[in-house]
Amino acid sequence: AQSVTQLGSHVSVSEGALVLLRCNYSSSVPPYLFWYVQYPNQGLQLLLKYTSAATLVKGINGFEAEFKKSETSFHLTKPSAHMSDAAEYFCAVRDFGNEKLTFGTGTRLTIIP
Amino acid sequence: DTAVSQTPKYLVTQMGNDKSIKCEQNLGHDTMYWYKQDSKKFLKIMFSYNNKELIINETVPNRFSPKSPDKAHLNLHINSLELGDSAVYFCASSQRREGLGYTFGSGTRLTVV
Repeated sequence: AQSVTQLGSHVSVSEGALVLLRCNYSSSVPPYLFWYVQYPNQGLQLLLKYTSAATLVKGINGFEAEFKKSETSFHLTKPSAHMSDAAEYFCAVRDFGNEKLTFGTGTRLTIIP
Repeated sequence: DTAVSQTPKYLVTQMGNDKSIKCEQNLGHDTMYWYKQDSKKFLKIMFSYNNKELIINETVPNRFSPKSPDKAHLNLHINSLELGDSAVYFCASSQRREGLGYTFGSGTRLTVV
């Protein structure tokens, strides 16, 4: 079964520093990949998605992710962290022809003033 | 103009009771989902309906029964509630076969006491 692994359940960065959240997927065939953000007591909001077009995907709020087939990775980055970025981030995968979106275990991002 | 709306937002009930959570989407999507998020923030799919047809039915106790009266609505009924059912339940929708992510509702926090 398709799965994603998020390394680091908690990541802390200083305000203005680079944000890097890691995600690796298990499929040998590149699937659809997504990053979602969940702010406290809210639902999940789509940050960006990879659907086999450009390997560098830009999303909302200054986030981007790069699909690397050789590493089966889809890491999320942001050049400069802002206090408002503090949230839970989920990587998710969806195979072609499969309705199910499978989520990673999430990474809680804390921003240090 | 909420895209995916769930009611109620909070639900506190006693063990053994029966309760329902309602979900509606106005995005014109043809597929709807129920996800459960546990206390550790892990998200797991429960059910999915496409045009009122059940297409995903994960290993969920029979006490949980989804109902889709039309493609814009997907309700979740839970019988004989147990303490372990306490979680946040998210409804989501998507358009099938377009490689898109889901649009999530804001969640229903169910607490069984």
